[in-house]
Amino acid sequence: ETGVTQTPRHLVMGMTNKKSLKCEQHLGHNAMYWYKQSAKKPLELMFVYSLEERVENNSVPSRFSPECPNSSHLFLHLHTLQPEDSALYLCASSQDKRFSYGYTFGSGTRLTVV
Amino acid sequence: QKEVEQDPGPLSVPEGAIVSLNCTYSNSAFQYFMWYRQYSRKGPELLMYTYSSGNKEDGRFTAQVDKSSKYISLFIRDSQPSDSATYLCAMSAQGNTGFQKLVFGTGTRLLVSP
Repeated sequence: ETGVTQTPRHLVMGMTNKKSLKCEQHLGHNAMYWYKQSAKKPLELMFVYSLEERVENNSVPSRFSPECPNSSHLFLHLHTLQPEDSALYLCASSQDKRFSYGYTFGSGTRLTVV
Repeated sequence: QKEVEQDPGPLSVPEGAIVSLNCTYSNSAFQYFMWYRQYSRKGPELLMYTYSSGNKEDGRFTAQVDKSSKYISLFIRDSQPSDSATYLCAMSAQGNTGFQKLVFGTGTRLLVSP
């Protein structure tokens, strides 16, 4: 496989559930990102990891918990979400956190909170 | 005022038309300018990347940056139905050793009819 792979593609969860989103990149990149995409809003940066170290947490509520066990894998653990958290969650990677060009995005996980 | 403004559209054009997509921005520190294309149910993919002012051409696509007016454009010549997608502008300021945050527009939905 090549590029950035996200699983699952779709997820429906109740407000009391706990679930995880998974992202894997096969590009040898050093930086990985979580973005939230809501209708009619710009992409919203959530977390940035560089060489497995979190370098940015964009004031994201604690019900979202990221994990980066190695430079190829990124997880987003979800618990006690709210309906307004329903959105498309995108993972991206880049060669280095200093370079804003050349992001490769996955296809996203469409999350619905009921 | 938003850092990046982009008309959400939709913009509907007939096949073969020249398409002009635009963004304005307020942060004069932005130096890297990008255009991403996002098909339905997919993540954004990088189309064009420009550093500072000027034009850049790639096939049917031309990106223009006017830093004096804080205005960027993407032109698509001989538009095709396969160009139907949402086009996102993105930009960032030059960093030193730290993280360069990308700021996105909301995206313009383009529909090219046969």
